[in-house]
Amino acid sequence: AQSVTQLDSQVPVFEEAPVELRCNYSSSVSVYLFWYVQYPNQGLQLLLKYLSGSTLVESINGFEAEFNKSQTSFHLRKPSVHISDTAEYFCAVSRRAGNMLTFGGGTRLMVKP
Amino acid sequence: DTAVSQTPKYLVTQMGNDKSIKCEQNLGHDTMYWYKQDSKKFLKIMFSYNNKELIINETVPNRFSPKSPDKAHLNLHINSLELGDSAVYFCASSQDRAGVYNEQFFGPGTRLTVL
Repeated sequence: AQSVTQLDSQVPVFEEAPVELRCNYSSSVSVYLFWYVQYPNQGLQLLLKYLSGSTLVESINGFEAEFNKSQTSFHLRKPSVHISDTAEYFCAVSRRAGNMLTFGGGTRLMVKP
Repeated sequence: DTAVSQTPKYLVTQMGNDKSIKCEQNLGHDTMYWYKQDSKKFLKIMFSYNNKELIINETVPNRFSPKSPDKAHLNLHINSLELGDSAVYFCASSQDRAGVYNEQFFGPGTRLTVL
């Protein structure tokens, strides 16, 4: 079985500051890794994913995440956040043999002006 | 066009009642899921169906019964509702489960409140 730990439940940050949201996972098999974003009162949207290949993956709105196998981490970063980035961010893993997603507890990113 | 839709968006009901939440996807996907998000935002999978066949059934009380009339629909029926069932329920779908990951698309959620 796999599990996901998001170390920070809330991350307050000022606009235009950099941010890192931490995610660690445990699994006995290879996994796929994901970050989903949930804006207030909305469903989840896929932000970015790591399936294979380059360990650094990017989203269209400036976020990036790096898969670190030795540290079993997949931290999410953005060099300069906007107010509109305020949302709940979920890290998730899926076994290569199946599609079931296991989610972390979520991190609330609060961007202040 | 909405990819994954759920109805109703909000559902408020009394303990002991039976209720259903409907989910439809127009993406032509083979696999559909139900997730539960509790008050602390923790998300957990409940069920997964592939081509109308149940493939994942996590530890969920048997008061919860998924029904898939066709591969575009996966409804969730809940009998004898309890206070602890209050949560946001998300439906999702993906292309298939052939060992290659395909992105899951989520619906907007149904907020269930049991009084």
